[in-house]
Amino acid sequence: AQSVTQPDIHITVSEGASLELRCNYSYGATPYLFWYVQSPGQGLQLLLKYFSGDTLVQGIKGFEAEFKRSQSSFNLRKPSVHWSDAAEYFCAVGFNDYKLSFGAGTTVTVRA
Amino acid sequence: DTGVSQDPRHKITKRGQNVTFRCDPISEHNRLYWYRQTLGQGPEFLTYFQNEAQLEKSRLLSDRFSAERPKGSFSTLEIQRTEQGDSAMYLCASSSKGRGSGNTIYFGEGSWLTVV
Repeated sequence: AQSVTQPDIHITVSEGASLELRCNYSYGATPYLFWYVQSPGQGLQLLLKYFSGDTLVQGIKGFEAEFKRSQSSFNLRKPSVHWSDAAEYFCAVGFNDYKLSFGAGTTVTVRA
Repeated sequence: DTGVSQDPRHKITKRGQNVTFRCDPISEHNRLYWYRQTLGQGPEFLTYFQNEAQLEKSRLLSDRFSAERPKGSFSTLEIQRTEQGDSAMYLCASSSKGRGSGNTIYFGEGSWLTVV
């Protein structure tokens, strides 16, 4: 069965430190890959996406993600975290071109 | 591009009442989606439209749920005889059909439903 796994439920990081959020998927082919961010009580904002081509993709707010086919992973990174990055982050995969499956999310807390 | 807009943002209703949510997609997006998100979980796909045609419905969408998209523009999601288990955020999203950047799905701010 198709699935998306975000192994870390909650991550705490110091402001200015680096951040990496993990995402693994289970599917026979390469899906479309996305990272969304959600602030409390708000909708989802797209950070970045991967459809094909260069496996290192750049997104908004200084985020980047790397697709590793051999590991079925699409991990999100940011070199230096700001307090405003505290939010919930969702990895999503599109196994066709109209429907997304989401992971359960990773909550990021930023400490001063 | 004004984004996907949803109304109302918050709704509190008594069990057994009907509720309706409206979604206005990004203009010229021909695909529209409804997702549901409960606390601590990622969004789950409910249904999607291409223009006015509803092309897929999740088994999560019970008979009490109905979605429409007349004329392929805005959409409504109605829940009849609400139950406490319907309490969730209902997210609308839209995209353009096609490959490349057209596959990007943009979400609205969501409509929170609390059934008491």
